Amino acid sequence: GQSLEQPSEVTAVEGAIVQINCTYQTSGFYGLSWYQQHDGGAPTFLSYNALDGLEETGRFSSFLSRSDSYGYLLLQELQMKDSASYFCAVRDRGGGKLIFGQGTELSVKP
Amino acid sequence: DADVTQTPRNRITKTGKRIMLECSQTKGHDRMYWYRQDPGLGLRLIYYSFDVKDINKGEISDGYSVSRQAQAKFSLSLESAIPNQTALYFCATSDPGTGLNEQFFGPGTRLTVL
Repeated sequence: GQSLEQPSEVTAVEGAIVQINCTYQTSGFYGLSWYQQHDGGAPTFLSYNALDGLEETGRFSSFLSRSDSYGYLLLQELQMKDSASYFCAVRDRGGGKLIFGQGTELSVKP
Repeated sequence: DADVTQTPRNRITKTGKRIMLECSQTKGHDRMYWYRQDPGLGLRLIYYSFDVKDINKGEISDGYSVSRQAQAKFSLSLESAIPNQTALYFCATSDPGTGLNEQFFGPGTRLTVL
């Protein structure tokens, strides 16, 4: 089977850096993605890693280590608007299905 | 803007009723998905369709059915709703041209079954 694990909650202060980890077990691996969801709204795509290493997009970076079946999302210069749920997801070998983790609720405090 | 829309946005119904949730997209994507979200359980795949003639079950398809009426439309039906189908339902699309790891989600339908 396939499964992903990520912390259920993370709290940080405005301006700080926070890392959200994700470990996965899959029968085939076609990339690790990250999604953001505010207050039950539509999840939106943040980033994707197919190969080992760090991908940077503005204040957000995502890292992947395929040998460790592990990745993380790094959020820098936290802002109040970053308070949201963050989901990691792996793409199934079926060619397009995503399997999502249970989500990490990030609370940014002043 | 190309978009993914869902109707209705909110629905309250009674146990045993048949319910249809509709999804339309103007993105021109072939691949469409239905998910349900429950608190603490993330997004779970109900059904997915890679084109009009290709429909597949996801991890939690029992109690649900789907219809892909056209490339742009993918409907989810609950044949006889039960209270544990109370959840937030999302439709999503993807396309190989823009990367299969990026899915585009609709605004969701909040369904309550009494």
